[in-house]
Amino acid sequence: DAGVIQSPRHEVTEMGQEVTLRCKPISGHDYLFWYRQTMMRGLELLIYFNNNVPIDDSGMPEDRFSAKMPNASFSTLKIQPSEPRDSAVYFCASSLGVGHQPQHFGDGTRLSIL
Amino acid sequence: GENVEQHPSTLSVQEGDSAVIKCTYSDSASNYFPWYKQELGKRPQLIIDIRSNVGEKKDQRIAVTLNKTAKHFSLHITETQPEDSAVYFCAASSSRQLTFGSGTQLTVLP
Repeated sequence: DAGVIQSPRHEVTEMGQEVTLRCKPISGHDYLFWYRQTMMRGLELLIYFNNNVPIDDSGMPEDRFSAKMPNASFSTLKIQPSEPRDSAVYFCASSLGVGHQPQHFGDGTRLSIL
Repeated sequence: GENVEQHPSTLSVQEGDSAVIKCTYSDSASNYFPWYKQELGKRPQLIIDIRSNVGEKKDQRIAVTLNKTAKHFSLHITETQPEDSAVYFCAASSSRQLTFGSGTQLTVLP
């Protein structure tokens, strides 16, 4: 089992640039979650999908953030335009859909906006 | 929505001693409580979880207890080892969404 795969692992870009983070969930998992982790705010849920459909995006901080899941094996989180306060580690996680199942996290993307 | 509080924020113990981390939650509908361990620069990894129909669960040196009446749950690590040093997060869920506590930095001193 390859686990949840995220890319890139690190991203450094200048303020105002578009940033795209990518995630491949574990095969067969029908829930996908995007989290942001900072020292100040801890682990925050941004959005989650079930069967490729966004279920709850109330954690998305503002319109600059958008997420898509075009198919069961791929999701993107986009920030446009990026700002220094978006600097954080972004994690993707996936889980099975039946009952309460553990969420399995990817290795994260460390994003730095200069 | 759910609110999870976690204490203490930092905890230092001597190798071989026990460590206890406590969490409280606000939503009485929550019925799933996982614990994650996150080493520096790594991803959170599930170490144990408990469902509301169970009061206690144990896995080797790790145990979790749940008191639904009081709405609190705890992580117990016995015979701590240096490799237990990490940040530990509790979480609670009544649906598919997890709400995380703020984390506990555990340091095991050799």
